Amino acid sequence: GAGVSQSPSNKVTEKGKDVELRCDPISGHTALYWYRQRLGQGLEFLIYFQGNSAPDKSGLPSDRFSAERTGESVSTLTIQRTQQEDSAVYLCASSEDRGLVSDTQYFGPGTRLTVL
Amino acid sequence: AQRVTQPEKLLSVFKGAPVELKCNYSYSGSPELFWYVQYSRQRLQLLLRHISRESIKGFTADLNKGETSFHLKKPFAQEEDSAMYYCALQGAQKLVFGQGTRLTINP
Repeated sequence: GAGVSQSPSNKVTEKGKDVELRCDPISGHTALYWYRQRLGQGLEFLIYFQGNSAPDKSGLPSDRFSAERTGESVSTLTIQRTQQEDSAVYLCASSEDRGLVSDTQYFGPGTRLTVL
Repeated sequence: AQRVTQPEKLLSVFKGAPVELKCNYSYSGSPELFWYVQYSRQRLQLLLRHISRESIKGFTADLNKGETSFHLKKPFAQEEDSAMYYCALQGAQKLVFGQGTRLTINP
């Protein structure tokens, strides 16, 4: 079946502009995660959605970052007033979240954001 | 606090040689540890998890709680093993990743 998809695959924007990144998880997956990967660095957790529970936003780096999820489907990550340090690959992942800590996360291809 | 350290950013070995990618962790609870891999032009995917005690593509990883390590090993490297490898620790649903090691297998 279809895996996790993300759009756009690449986004170039000017400093100060707002951007929206989209993630379509695997159908039936109740858990959805956003990560950021800066050049040469590891993956940085941003936010986690699980079903109807309040999202875990503990990884969001500033109030310029926000994310929403519509039910158990699409999620959008919004970055307001982008800065050059926001340039990174933004990865989305989903999992079945059967209540098992070790549920496998399936990753999307990522969105490469470049802020000029 | 949860932390994963992969001390080598780059690792280069010859085909047929043994490979060991190092991973050390810091976590107060009982750790769930994973290795993820990203091949060229492919998305990040799970390679193996310690709880399964399995060997995938010839790779194994043993959790050593005394040394707080979860090193990834393969006795004989193959060219198709060239990729980016990430060690990850899961706590409270959040995966914490190391910075990754780029493994290059030379022919």
